[in-house]
Amino acid sequence: EAGVVQSPRYKIIEKKQPVAFWCNPISGHNTLYWYLQNLGQGPELLIRYENEEAVDDSQLPKDRFSAERLKGVDSTLKIQPAELGDSAVYLCASSLRSRPGDTQYFGPGTRLTVL
Amino acid sequence: GQNIDQPTEMTATEGAIVQINCTYQTSGFNGLFWYQQHAGEAPTFLSYNVLDGLEEKGRFSSFLSRSKGYSYLLLKELQMKDSASYLCGASFNNDMRFGAGTRLTVKP
Repeated sequence: EAGVVQSPRYKIIEKKQPVAFWCNPISGHNTLYWYLQNLGQGPELLIRYENEEAVDDSQLPKDRFSAERLKGVDSTLKIQPAELGDSAVYLCASSLRSRPGDTQYFGPGTRLTVL
Repeated sequence: GQNIDQPTEMTATEGAIVQINCTYQTSGFNGLFWYQQHAGEAPTFLSYNVLDGLEEKGRFSSFLSRSKGYSYLLLKELQMKDSASYLCGASFNNDMRFGAGTRLTVKP
């Protein structure tokens, strides 16, 4: 069974440009997460989806970040415009549901460099 | 808050045993995950503890004390490939919060 798929794996852009990341979760997983991971730090939650509904986006900087999960499967995270401080790895994860104990499975991440 | 604390770095010798500790705030706590993350790769699931005690899985074991807000990951018979970051993740209500990770270096 395929794991969580993310693309692109790497992205280099200039500041003020837009960028988008794509995630395909494990088949059958209702819950999808987007995390940001800075070097030497643990993942920090940006947004959590239950099917197509964003149920926790309290940590998403809504002035420049947006996300969608159309049809409750694939998801896209967008930054517009990107800033230098957005350079990080953006991880997508999925779980069967969001019950306590449901294991989250992570994709390989997209490493964003903003110049 | 839901601070999760773990050591930043540890070094151990091939074949030895190492224990990585993690402490967390107990309010709203559900369970404790450990993930392994090699440099440039995705975190991969190692273990989940919800009850007090030790869970053993091959060379890796994980312990939880709910009353103390404390967990550890025990790695036995260390191999070079165990060099990685180990993330402690605590599940609170519907959310999981991660520590900054412990970077383990295994030396020959």
